[in-house]
Amino acid sequence: EDKVVQSPLSLVVHEGDTVTLNCSYEVTNFRSLLWYKQEKKAPTFLFMLTSSGIEKKSGRLSSILDKKELFSILNITATQTGDSAVYLCAVAPYNFNKFYFGSGTKLNVKP
Amino acid sequence: GAGVSQSPSNKVTEKGKDVELRCDPISGHTALYWYRQSLGQGLEFLIYFQGNSAPDKSGLPSDRFSAERTGGSVSTLTIQRTQQEDSAVYLCASSLNGYSYEQYFGPGTRLTVT
Repeated sequence: EDKVVQSPLSLVVHEGDTVTLNCSYEVTNFRSLLWYKQEKKAPTFLFMLTSSGIEKKSGRLSSILDKKELFSILNITATQTGDSAVYLCAVAPYNFNKFYFGSGTKLNVKP
Repeated sequence: GAGVSQSPSNKVTEKGKDVELRCDPISGHTALYWYRQSLGQGLEFLIYFQGNSAPDKSGLPSDRFSAERTGGSVSTLTIQRTQQEDSAVYLCASSLNGYSYEQYFGPGTRLTVT
């Protein structure tokens, strides 16, 4: 059965802390892994990772994929209260006909 | 330009009634996805439309759920004889085509079955 598992389920940190969110997967015909930020209802796209070992970076956020161990991490440095959200990991099979989502990590950044 | 829109934003219905949820994708996007998100959970894939191809219905949880996409644009998700466990946020997303990974999500419809 295809599945995506995220950890931790929730996390509370203070502004300025660095956090690491984890995503492991077992998906047939893996093509890409994607990270989303969900603040209210609509998730917004952060990163797509297809190749192992290549870090994607956007400001204070970065992510990397390990296709041998079947996991990805999302790092957020110098966290801000605006980073508070649910972070979703999704895996797309080769033909992008569906995306398998994890249950998310709820991040709460306190001032 | 306009993003993905969904209507209604909230729907409260009695158990046993039918509901219709609407999604207007971004103009020109040929791929359309429906997902369901229960409280505290991730997104559960329901159905995928790509152009004129037969939809991938493999995620629909029961035969009470159906979806249509008319003219390759607007999509309607219908739930018949609603049950309390159908209560969730229903999200629609579109992408440029079947080869594009970047999905644009609508704001969702929150369905509450009483």
